[in-house]
Amino acid sequence: RKEVEQDPGPFNVPEGATVAFNCTYSNSASQSFFWYRQDCRKEPKLLMSVYSSGNEDGRFTAQLNRASQYISLLIRDSKLSDSATYLCVVNDGGYNKLIFGAGTRLAVHP
Amino acid sequence: GAVVSQHPSWVICKSGTSVKIECRSLDFQATTMFWYRQFPKQSLMLMATSNEGSKATYEQGVEKDKFLINHASLTLSTLTVTSAHPEDSSFYICSVWDRGSYEQYFGPGTRLTVT
Repeated sequence: RKEVEQDPGPFNVPEGATVAFNCTYSNSASQSFFWYRQDCRKEPKLLMSVYSSGNEDGRFTAQLNRASQYISLLIRDSKLSDSATYLCVVNDGGYNKLIFGAGTRLAVHP
Repeated sequence: GAVVSQHPSWVICKSGTSVKIECRSLDFQATTMFWYRQFPKQSLMLMATSNEGSKATYEQGVEKDKFLINHASLTLSTLTVTSAHPEDSSFYICSVWDRGSYEQYFGPGTRLTVT
């Protein structure tokens, strides 16, 4: 079983749509959770950290369910510029090593 | 967040040669940096943790004699791919770790192609 699993997609959605990505992780000792965005042939950029209480940043909402070891990202009112690969990232529990999911590809079309 | 640069941004080399990649933390003193590798359509895989003034810690399956890491200062870590082979062709990315925020900030990556 992969340490961080994501649906690879692609998710093809029209502008203005709401889209949700899910992620599961295997290490119950993980303490920090993140969503990163990676554009083609570029480095990952931090989109948002994910907190137990859930958090929102504009059109983006992240949720964490520790009991189910499940993380989600909701994007509302999708823009063309949201097209990218979204990486679910967790730390490995005992150290600050980050474990990356393979990413979910989002394509927003006009 | 921290600003991180990498040099070169891309490099093409012949099989058997060595390539050095630099990772610089421009505005942050980084005691810990990380080196990742990403093959096409795959996730980033941690190769090693680079600690200033001490030996790097390599992940399982990563050959320390092939991927030499030097972290001689708080702003510079280097990764040298020795005797490169075509299967080493990949996207190499470094990051710096902010112990205060627990966040990692990534460099723009170096695309290595070995012919």
